[in-house]
Amino acid sequence: GENVEQHPSTLSVQEGDSAVIKCTYSDSASNYFPWYKQELGKGPQLIIDIRSNVGEKKDQRIAVTLNKTAKHFSLHITETQPEDSAVYFCAASPGYSTLTFGKGTMLLVSP
Amino acid sequence: SQTIHQWPATLVQPVGSPLSLECTVEGTSNPNLYWYRQAAGRGLQLLFYSVGIGQISSEVPQNLSASRPQDRQFILSSKKLLLSDSGFYLCAWTPGTHRGLNTEAFFGQGTRLTVV
Repeated sequence: GENVEQHPSTLSVQEGDSAVIKCTYSDSASNYFPWYKQELGKGPQLIIDIRSNVGEKKDQRIAVTLNKTAKHFSLHITETQPEDSAVYFCAASPGYSTLTFGKGTMLLVSP
Repeated sequence: SQTIHQWPATLVQPVGSPLSLECTVEGTSNPNLYWYRQAAGRGLQLLFYSVGIGQISSEVPQNLSASRPQDRQFILSSKKLLLSDSGFYLCAWTPGTHRGLNTEAFFGQGTRLTVV
């Protein structure tokens, strides 16, 4: 089955800096790569996703890049704000199987 | 619009007691339904998923079971809770019917279970 590795486990940045979270996956058949944000005591919410037919997708301060050859994808957050502090999860899935999640990254943005 | 309801929000149960967590989805039909467990505030472990009424797939052998008595209702149960069952339980759904399983998942707000 699919295996997703996520790094780092914790990331601390100053407000206004950029944050990058990286994930690798094992199943070359995976073609859907979402990113979720989970605030304390709540369920995860999708913030951005990408499919294997594109290499990059951007939504305001958030962007995701995908390298299918290397089997890795990354989340980029620019101009971080304190409200960006949360746990972020990457996930990957081929069409025949459920999402496999990474172990999460706790992002701390200091004012 | 679609909504997902999960209850209760918090639960404290003694070891050996039964468990029943309920999840319902509104505003869609034939959803794929999922139960995840999150231990120590991190990591999402898929426990069960269902692509239709009465169809349950178990991902991890454990002390828990799941049932789907109605199209938009998913129940997580245990006959006798263990200390190790403590955690944050999340229900989720994805659009069903020939959409595959690799689409956006919508999560409920979770149930914090503490077994004492």
